[in-house]
Amino acid sequence: GAGVSQSPSNKVTEKGKDVELRCDPISGHTALYWYRQSLGQGLEFLIYFQGNSAPDKSGLPSDRFSAERTGGSVSTLTIQRTQQEDSAVYLCASSPDRGFYEQYFGPGTRLTVT
Amino acid sequence: QKEVEQNSGPLSVPEGAIASLNCTYSDRGSQSFFWYRQYSGKSPELIMSIYSNGDKEDGRFTAQLNKASQYVSLLIRDSQPSDSATYLCAVISNTGNQFYFGTGTSLTVIP
Repeated sequence: GAGVSQSPSNKVTEKGKDVELRCDPISGHTALYWYRQSLGQGLEFLIYFQGNSAPDKSGLPSDRFSAERTGGSVSTLTIQRTQQEDSAVYLCASSPDRGFYEQYFGPGTRLTVT
Repeated sequence: QKEVEQNSGPLSVPEGAIASLNCTYSDRGSQSFFWYRQYSGKSPELIMSIYSNGDKEDGRFTAQLNKASQYVSLLIRDSQPSDSATYLCAVISNTGNQFYFGTGTSLTVIP
């Protein structure tokens, strides 16, 4: 079956603009996760959804970051007023059940802020 | 102190040798531990999970967990060039609401 998909695959934006990144999880997966990976850095956990709810938003780097999930499926990560330090690969993952087990990752969105 | 620490490497081993990858974590309450493999330019993929002290074997991979010492390791037996990748250690926080990755260890298997 289809894996996790993310769009766009690449995004170049000017500093100060808003961007939306989209994630389509594997059909039937109830949990969805967002991470970012900066060059030379590890994977940084941002947020996870169980259904449409996010139990803990403290991993979001700043209040410029927000995420939502509707219908228990597609999720959008929004970054407002982008900064150069936001440049990274944003990865989405999903799993069939709650709790970070059996995560399947999407191909990522490479965000470049100029 | 980072939640998960790994030696960044690079670690080089000859083909057929055992590769040993190590990871320590800071949250004594963590209960669930994972090893992911990430090929260059690709997304991570789960290769092992371990929840209890001791060893867990899956094919050429063995994960080892010692909660008293707060370390997790991954052994790769009969290493192959196709094992060349970055290996990421990850743990679930004791609240169960956050997930921490180490920065990864780069492994190169030399033919």
